[in-house]
Amino acid sequence: AQSVTQLGSHVSVSEGALVLLRCNYSSSVPPYLFWYVQYPNQGLQLLLKYTTGATLVKGINGFEAEFKKSETSFHLTKPSAHMSDAAEYFCAVSGGVYNQGGKLIFGQGTELSVKP
Amino acid sequence: NAGVTQTPKFRVLKTGQSMTLLCAQDMNHEYMYWYRQDPGMGLRLIHYSVGEGTTAKGEVPDGYNVSRLKKQNFLLGLESAAPSQTSVYFCASRGTGIGNQPQHFGDGTRLSIL
Repeated sequence: AQSVTQLGSHVSVSEGALVLLRCNYSSSVPPYLFWYVQYPNQGLQLLLKYTTGATLVKGINGFEAEFKKSETSFHLTKPSAHMSDAAEYFCAVSGGVYNQGGKLIFGQGTELSVKP
Repeated sequence: NAGVTQTPKFRVLKTGQSMTLLCAQDMNHEYMYWYRQDPGMGLRLIHYSVGEGTTAKGEVPDGYNVSRLKKQNFLLGLESAAPSQTSVYFCASRGTGIGNQPQHFGDGTRLSIL
């Protein structure tokens, strides 16, 4: 069975500050991990995806995520927050296409607010 | 390139009414999915399809039916709408290949059941 836990449903940072959004996963098979972003009244957009063997994954808009197998974590960071980063962020895990068609299991989401 | 298109974008129904949500993708993807998004619960899988003519149940399939008669289309039906089905519905598609191929999402259908 797979699950995802995102710590903190709301995170608020000042513009220019570090963004850290936490994600822990549980998976009985090697996980495929993703971060998605959702802007108001829009669909989900891929930020980045984990590549097997990598520890640091770079995504769009200056975001990156660090994979730590020992801690079963895949935390999302950005060195300097911008007002346009305000959105909801979802961490998701998949067991691959042979696991229910590659379905995604999502965390509950973290809403990021950026203060001027 | 439209990607994944969902229609309608908004709909209000009365309890007991039926409707069909349409999802169309132009990326020639084999896999398609229907999720529902509820506050504080992330997205949950309703049904999915691994190819034309195939469908399977996800985590929360009760009260919904689906069909995939054409590869590019995936329909979600509510036969008798209930207030508990008030939600935002997202369709997604994915190509074949290695496990970390991402899913591509539509902009969602906001459905209210009165």
